[in-house]
Order: sequence, then structure tokens, then C-alpha cells
Amino acid sequence: EVRLVESGGGLVKPGGSLRLSCAASGFTFSTSSMNWVRQAPGKGLEWVSSISSSGYILYADSLKGRFTISRDNANNSLYLQMDSLGAEDTAVYYCARGGGSYSQWGQGTLVTVSS
Amino acid sequence: EIVLTQSPGTLSLSPGERATLSCRASQSVSTSYLAWYQQKPGQAPRLLIYGASSRATGIPDRFSGSGSGTDFTLTIDGLEPEDFAVFYCQQYDKSPFTFGPGTKVDIK
Repeated sequence: EVRLVESGGGLVKPGGSLRLSCAASGFTFSTSSMNWVRQAPGKGLEWVSSISSSGYILYADSLKGRFTISRDNANNSLYLQMDSLGAEDTAVYYCARGGGSYSQWGQGTLVTVSS
Repeated sequence: EIVLTQSPGTLSLSPGERATLSCRASQSVSTSYLAWYQQKPGQAPRLLIYGASSRATGIPDRFSGSGSGTDFTLTIDGLEPEDFAVFYCQQYDKSPFTFGPGTKVDIK
């Protein structure tokens, strides 16, 4: 069974940093493209970043270099380092598997940016 | 950036009826790179359709996708009680990989 479990969310002050993790199991992580998608409270889905199995990385333009995606194939883990956080980054962050469409999703981790 | 527009915003239907959801792109999307997702409250999205018309694993055949270029459609033939949810289209042709704003299908 494919499982994606996000962690690392929480309350952070504006300007702060947070590192999200996604633990993967039930599939060959090293050969899978992985992604982060977020959803602000009561809003729609927003693609954040993708990393291919070979390490090719893409980011949403709106992030302006504040977020860094990475992966650890030895530990079947995906990460999202988020810096200079603002209120607009408050959202549930999902990790999702797939190289185009996203066939499996985690349950998400909530990030709240507030003073 | 490819902007996706979904209509209607809300669709009120009864169980057993057909739902027709539209997704329009601001520029042409390769047919292979359009997906549809269903999201219920408090849950993660679920992939329904990829490649505009291919059903994902385990998706009932009452869900179908069609379209090409800039106009795509998700059809649900015979709504079941568990189908009422928000539906999003997504293009993964060109980065940034954008989602539409969603169509809510609720019970009339």
C-alpha cells in the first residue's frame, strides 16, 4: 500500500522558517517524481514545487526563491525547506507522487504563519 | 502561465443525474497533460482522470473525461451520494503546473 505521511507543520511567526518532511512507503521512491501542493484555508489547490527522480527541480514563480525542495532516496523522504514565511503561506501542504498528474497524496500538514 | 477557468462554480444536482463540468485553458494544453481531481471536505484530493480521458486506478466508469486544446470536460453519469465534492482540473503541460479554481457539486 502506498503511503505518504507529511510532518513538520505548525505555527511559525512571520519571517520564520519551517522544514516539512514527507515519508514515503509502498512504492519505489527513488524512481518516482515527487511534488508539494498547498491549499490555503477555504481555497483551491496551488502547485508549489516538483522534483524528478533525477533531481530536476521546478518551483512556482510566486515563491520567489524562498522554498527549497529536496529528497533523500536512501530514507524514502521528501522535504520542503520554507524560509521568510508570510501570512500568504498559511496552508495545508500536501506531498504527492507523480511525474505529471498526482496519483497518490498524503493527508497534508498544516502550516500557520501568524504572530 | 496557463490559467485554467472552471465552470460552473457550483453545480446543484440530485443523485442519479448527470454532471458536466468544464475546464477552459488560457492557451492550448497538450491532450496528454490535463488531469481531474475530486476533493471531499477534510480529505486530500484524489486523482480521477489523467491525460484528459484516462481513468485513474480504481475510478468507476461513471467518471469520464474528454476534450482537447483549450476546452476539457469531466462528466459524471449518474451521480452517487459519495460523488458530491469539489472537482479541480490541472494542467501539467507547462510549468507552473496550474490548477483551476474548482467546481463544487452539491446536492440539490
